Amino acid sequence: DGGITQSPKYLFRKEGQNVTLSCEQNLNHDAMYWYRQDPGQGLRLIYYSQIVNDFQKGDIAEGYSVSREKKESFPLTVTSAQKNPTAFYLCASTKQIIPGQGGYGYTFGSGTRLTVV
Amino acid sequence: GQQVMQIPQYQHVQEGEDFTTYCNSSTTLSNIQWYKQRPGGHPVFLIQLVKSGEVKKQKRLTFQFGEAKKNSSLHITATQTTDVGTYFCAGGNYQLIWGAGTKLIIKP
Repeated sequence: DGGITQSPKYLFRKEGQNVTLSCEQNLNHDAMYWYRQDPGQGLRLIYYSQIVNDFQKGDIAEGYSVSREKKESFPLTVTSAQKNPTAFYLCASTKQIIPGQGGYGYTFGSGTRLTVV
Repeated sequence: GQQVMQIPQYQHVQEGEDFTTYCNSSTTLSNIQWYKQRPGGHPVFLIQLVKSGEVKKQKRLTFQFGEAKKNSSLHITATQTTDVGTYFCAGGNYQLIWGAGTKLIIKP
């Protein structure tokens, strides 16, 4: 079955360390997204990509970086510049949007819980 | 910027009672989507509404999109323990604008 795989499920980061969260999909979706969710809160967009080799900043991009070298993969790096990285990170994908035809539902991965130690 | 407000933040119900969550946008939405996130889990897509005044049903769940396409609601009839979780609305095209979610809690 197709889906999105996020790894690792749990990640511990030391102060001043960069860490990379993996996101792989086999749904043949064009658009991919990274969200951050804090306890009891909604989803905040970090970065998104609609095609390979192109991505845009979301609302809270500072301290994060991404790449989109392959359609299937959209890794997120949490850099040492992100001062409060402890959160639940969710990767999502969807079919490419066709203007005027509405959107498509997002498929989410099972998430990565990042903790600073 | 564009915002989607969702209320209430929490709703405590006895099993068998009804549950409703509401979303209101500051601007007209091209579509509205609804998701459910179980405790400790990830959001799962439930449905998308596109047309003004649209109403869709999924068993005990009824979804509505307002005439002006600025508001939406999700109503669950006769809640069950399997309904527990947080329900999110989200609207938009290339980027979804997310509501903060309503947490459904079943009273013991």
